[in-house]
Amino acid sequence: AQSVTQPDIHITVSEGASLELRCNYSYGATPYLFWYVQSPGQGLQLLLKYFSGDTLVQGIKGFEAEFKRSQSSFNLRKPSVHWSDAAEYFCAVGASQAGTALIFGKGTTLSVSS
Amino acid sequence: DGGITQSPKYLFRKEGQNVTLSCEQNLNHDAMYWYRQDPGQGLRLIYYSQIVNDFQKGDIAEGYSVSREKKESFPLTVTSAQKNPTAFYLCASSIGTWSYEQYFGPGTRLTVT
Repeated sequence: AQSVTQPDIHITVSEGASLELRCNYSYGATPYLFWYVQSPGQGLQLLLKYFSGDTLVQGIKGFEAEFKRSQSSFNLRKPSVHWSDAAEYFCAVGASQAGTALIFGKGTTLSVSS
Repeated sequence: DGGITQSPKYLFRKEGQNVTLSCEQNLNHDAMYWYRQDPGQGLRLIYYSQIVNDFQKGDIAEGYSVSREKKESFPLTVTSAQKNPTAFYLCASSIGTWSYEQYFGPGTRLTVT
């Protein structure tokens, strides 16, 4: 069965510093991979997605992610973090055993220090 | 503007009462989903529907029920059989059975005392 692991529960980054959030997945074939962001008490917003092709994908708000099949990873990066990036970030994989539902990691909370 | 609406934003109920959470979308999407979110647990799938008048159980369907009588609407009922119903509930939709890309509503926070 597919699964998603986000190893870091909480990360603190200084404003202006670079960011990398880790995501590892378990899936037999080429996965459909997503990163979502959630502000407190809000719904989820799609940051970026990977279906196939170029392994470096660009998303909104200056985020990018790289798919590495050999490492089963889909890490999210941003070169310079802004205070408004503080939120919870979820990695997700398409779950073929449940229609088109997604399987989510448990999330990484990002705090930004000044 | 197209999107997904969930109402109410906050809902309070007494233990033993059933409660229905609303989810409406005007994106003309075929598929709809309900997830439950608890702190530190990520999102867990309750039910999903890929077409009108059809729905499937997700990983944590016990104590919940749904209906899909209209394409636009996918209400979730939290029954008194759900042992720990206090949570944040998120509704989502996707274009169809071939698309994993989901759009989320703003969520409903249910508190049962």
